[in-house]
Amino acid sequence: GQQLNQSPQSMFIQEGEDVSMNCTSSSIFNTWLWYKQEPGEGPVLLIALYKAGELTSNGRLTAQFGITRKDSFLNISASIPSDVGIYFCAGLLRPNNAGNNRKLIWGLGTSLAVNP
Amino acid sequence: DSGVTQTPKHLITATGQRVTLRCSPRSGDLSVYWYQQSLDQGLQFLIQYYNGEERAKGNILERFSAQQFPDLHSELNLSSLELGDSALYFCASSDVGGKLFFGSGTQLSVL
Repeated sequence: GQQLNQSPQSMFIQEGEDVSMNCTSSSIFNTWLWYKQEPGEGPVLLIALYKAGELTSNGRLTAQFGITRKDSFLNISASIPSDVGIYFCAGLLRPNNAGNNRKLIWGLGTSLAVNP
Repeated sequence: DSGVTQTPKHLITATGQRVTLRCSPRSGDLSVYWYQQSLDQGLQFLIQYYNGEERAKGNILERFSAQQFPDLHSELNLSSLELGDSALYFCASSDVGGKLFFGSGTQLSVL
């Protein structure tokens, strides 16, 4: 079945550093979503991307929808301790048939640790 | 606050028992999703309901079942519980664009 390859699996960085992570797939997606999960909480949507080549920012976060529609990237600039968490990518497939049964495929997450 | 409400927050039970997890979606959302997340694992999709009907099934065990009621709240029933069922269970609802909004989860501990 479809799956997303998310990398790196984990990162340990110093406060102030920039962070990059990505998701790749052999499938083409219509939408890319990036989520952040903090311990004991549910994932929270950070950025949604809808068009190939789209570059969207949310504060210090920037995400891009790859031109091939098979990948996406998330960058965090000038990291701070509260950036700690697990970042998940998710790709949304939209079938040709009508109806609300879009399929969301998840990466396994990138665990980010920030050393103050 | 995502607008998705899950109860209870924590649940401790014994093997062989049955529990029910409850979820209220965001106002206006018709779809409800259930996910399981084990320690240090990704999100495993269990099942989706749309406006009361089952729409998609993932890796849901036969011991587990779910339903969505006319008021759109959903329940996930877990029966004959095993130690390996201990996990975080998340409910999410989606908007018309397909973006998921998650509840804060139910931490299930099977002892």
